[in-house]
Amino acid sequence: GAVVSQHPSRVICKSGTSVKIECRSLDFQATTMFWYRQFPKKSLMLMATSNEGSKATYEQGVEKDKFLINHASLTLSTLTVTSAHPEDSSFYICSARDRGGRGSTDTQYFGPGTRLTVL
Amino acid sequence: GQNIDQPTEMTATEGAIVQINCTYQTSGFNGLFWYQQHAGEAPTFLSYNVLDGLEEKGRFSSFLSRSKGYSYLLLKELQMKDSASYLCAVVKSSASKIIFGSGTRLSIRP
Repeated sequence: GAVVSQHPSRVICKSGTSVKIECRSLDFQATTMFWYRQFPKKSLMLMATSNEGSKATYEQGVEKDKFLINHASLTLSTLTVTSAHPEDSSFYICSARDRGGRGSTDTQYFGPGTRLTVL
Repeated sequence: GQNIDQPTEMTATEGAIVQINCTYQTSGFNGLFWYQQHAGEAPTFLSYNVLDGLEEKGRFSSFLSRSKGYSYLLLKELQMKDSASYLCAVVKSSASKIIFGSGTRLSIRP
């Protein structure tokens, strides 16, 4: 199946710093990527839809100035958590939609996730 | 808005069968996914239903009734490794966004 990678897999940072998380589609082009956040024992919450070459679309309640998304190419989207605080500690997962229509039209492939811990 | 409901926890016995139900209310429905997620890992794809009926894939089957806003995931010949969370997720056609339910934590006992 299609492969999506995330980097880093784990990051620990001090409160007030910014953290960048990369999401790459390794063997297909993704015009659309999605960013999710998951708290312990909770389900995935969609944060934003990242569109190549245009601004991201944020879900209600997600601060766009705090969670900066850049989709610079068809294989890379980045999420930057600015001025991170302990309450931002979570599991961040990206997914990518295959532009080539591999599998079902709306099949999305998930990255392995990034665990962020803010001290 | 959308509501996706599934049981929080279920327990079943190794070798048995378990059915995990999911009901949903959403505008612009364009299919339903089931994902499996082990603790600390990303979700992995199990099934996708867009038409009414049953889709069988090995030990796992998924059923959809669009008119009733209802789906279930059926797991047969349960194995200990099937202990995981199972996420029901609905695709909204307006933006192809996938919205997840809260997940069902399935525990398999010997």
